[in-house]
Amino acid sequence: GAVVSQHPSWVICKSGTSVKIECRSLDFQATTMFWYRQFPKQSLMLMATSNEGSKATYEQGVEKDKFLINHASLTLSTLTVTSAHPEDSSFYICSARFFGLDQPQHFGDGTRLSIL
Amino acid sequence: QKEVEQNSGPLSVPEGAIASLNCTYSDRGSQSFFWYRQYSGKSPELIMFIYSNGDKEDGRFTAQLNKASQYVSLLIRDSQPSDSATYLCAVWDGGYQKVTFGTGTKLQVIP
Repeated sequence: GAVVSQHPSWVICKSGTSVKIECRSLDFQATTMFWYRQFPKQSLMLMATSNEGSKATYEQGVEKDKFLINHASLTLSTLTVTSAHPEDSSFYICSARFFGLDQPQHFGDGTRLSIL
Repeated sequence: QKEVEQNSGPLSVPEGAIASLNCTYSDRGSQSFFWYRQYSGKSPELIMFIYSNGDKEDGRFTAQLNKASQYVSLLIRDSQPSDSATYLCAVWDGGYQKVTFGTGTKLQVIP
């Protein structure tokens, strides 16, 4: 089946560091990729939607200068958390889907980000 | 605002019983529906998708869709402790080109 690969799985870094997370669709071309954040015991929260070759669409309340998204190809999207602070610590999950009414979203394994 | 509603639970069922998870959605024009399972600390994984009214079966799982009543459900037969997880209902929003997720129902299967 479709596979979405996300790296790294864990990141622990100091406050002020920028962190890049990669999301790759391995066996299909993802026209749209999504980035979610999930805090413990809470629901998935959509941060942004990215389409290959165009600017990402951010959800209300998500700082686009803080969370930089690049969708350079049909198989790769990256999320960069710039100047991360402890409040950015969370579980970040990417998702990808192929264009079409009946296509589900496939999720990566997620990245657990801890900012000290 | 298009909404997808689920009872947060927890829903507790004994091992071997049928677990029934329900979901309602607000957009009458919705056409694609998905069920995901999310274990604690893990990302969601797709279990089933359904597009047509009626039932769709896959192993121990059955998805049921009733567009007139705007609900979709997931039945898990012969529930196992390993089925204990949060189940997310998702509806494709063609207007915004994204999937809207419910908040999930936590299922606990008691041995």
